[in-house]
Amino acid sequence: DIQMTQSPSAMSASVGDRVTITCRASQGISNYLIWFQQKPGKVPKRLIYSVSSLQSGVPSRFSGSGSGTEFTLTINSLEPDDVAVYYCLQHSSYPFTFGGGTKVEIK
Amino acid sequence: EVRLVESGGGLVQPGGSLRLSCAASGFTFGDHFMDWVRQAPGKGLEWVSRIRSRSHSYTTEYAASVKGRFTISRDDSQNSLYLQMNSLKAEDTAVYYCARSYSDTYTFILYLDVWGKGTTVTVSS
Repeated sequence: DIQMTQSPSAMSASVGDRVTITCRASQGISNYLIWFQQKPGKVPKRLIYSVSSLQSGVPSRFSGSGSGTEFTLTINSLEPDDVAVYYCLQHSSYPFTFGGGTKVEIK
Repeated sequence: EVRLVESGGGLVQPGGSLRLSCAASGFTFGDHFMDWVRQAPGKGLEWVSRIRSRSHSYTTEYAASVKGRFTISRDDSQNSLYLQMNSLKAEDTAVYYCARSYSDTYTFILYLDVWGKGTTVTVSS
């Protein structure tokens, strides 16, 4: 199985800060990577697919990058509404695997 | 409006069975692969199962943790997805989400972009 190691597991940043979350795959997954945002008590929401394609309606302060085994979700200028847990998902091979999640809070 | 609505969750004893349903509307259900994803209380997301579309022979995939106990199926005439869960264990306790997945037309553009609100399964004596 492909392991997805997500870091950090939690972080606190100020409004307006740039936030970077990393997912590292245990083997190459090409561009089969998705980022989700899950707010407390809510359903996961897709933010980014195919590493860097922004989901329609998602603010442009969110962006994704990376290749091979290392991938990054960046939030430019953190806003209070971005408080959530963020997950990466590899769908390169079965079983699909999620990262452990990154909890983002406002400092 | 594209919508997925899960049902069938509840409290079941260890070793018991439960059948989850997911009713789809607002899109061409039969064209899409469909997935189940679960989330144990206070934990992260876990992919559970996939069923492909008719054009891909309705083939299925499972996580190792449920293989042999869970069966995914679909009825395209009813726009419905199912998950038959047998030999349930305490560790199967979770919110179960269905999600729209791959299609030949849209490939990854509509991949896991729509999720239901989930149905809660509790396995306990």
